[in-house]
Amino acid sequence: GESVGLHLPTLSVQEGDNSIINCAYSNSASDYFIWYKQESGKGPQFIIDIRSNMDKRQGQRVTVLLNKTVKHLSLQIAATQPGDSAVYFCAEGSYGSSNTGKLIFGQGTTLQVKP
Amino acid sequence: NAGVTQTPKFQVLKTGQSMTLQCAQDMNHEYMSWYRQDPGMGLRLIHYSVGAGITDQGEVPNGYNVSRSTTEDFPLRLLSAAPSQTSVYFCASSRGTSGRAEQFFGPGTRLTVL
Repeated sequence: GESVGLHLPTLSVQEGDNSIINCAYSNSASDYFIWYKQESGKGPQFIIDIRSNMDKRQGQRVTVLLNKTVKHLSLQIAATQPGDSAVYFCAEGSYGSSNTGKLIFGQGTTLQVKP
Repeated sequence: NAGVTQTPKFQVLKTGQSMTLQCAQDMNHEYMSWYRQDPGMGLRLIHYSVGAGITDQGEVPNGYNVSRSTTEDFPLRLLSAAPSQTSVYFCASSRGTSGRAEQFFGPGTRLTVL
């Protein structure tokens, strides 16, 4: 079946280092991808999205890279801070219907930032 | 703006009981959704709505009902609670314009069914 998966369940980085969180997807029909951040006890928070007609998109301290050839998505966080500690989810869907909530979510990667 | 609010924060039910999880948003968003999140898993869509009076099923709709009588509110009803419905439930809303799924999530309701 279709699935979205993350390569590592936990990523530990030193404060100030760059973090890279990876995600694999298997539905070649997906044309829209999103990264969410979920802090303990809270709901997910939208970080950044990318459509399949792009390879890279940058936000504030975050960059999402999309490699459609190998169906791989990554989230890069520059100068990681303690406040970045959270679970990060990737999600895939169709650009035309994703705003209805029709997304396939990955299992999540826990990012731990060491001071 | 309060954003997306959910009540209650915590709930314990016995098997067979029914209850309603409340969700409200004050951003005038057209689209609203309900998800469940099980330990170590991503979110799964239960039901969604694209506007008042319009609802549709998501990935895991069985055992749940929804209605959307107003733009602001989107309650989720558990008809006869089962232990398999023990989960954290999140409500989300989005503007609905274009395809961007910039959803705003509520803080969640942690439900335990005994």
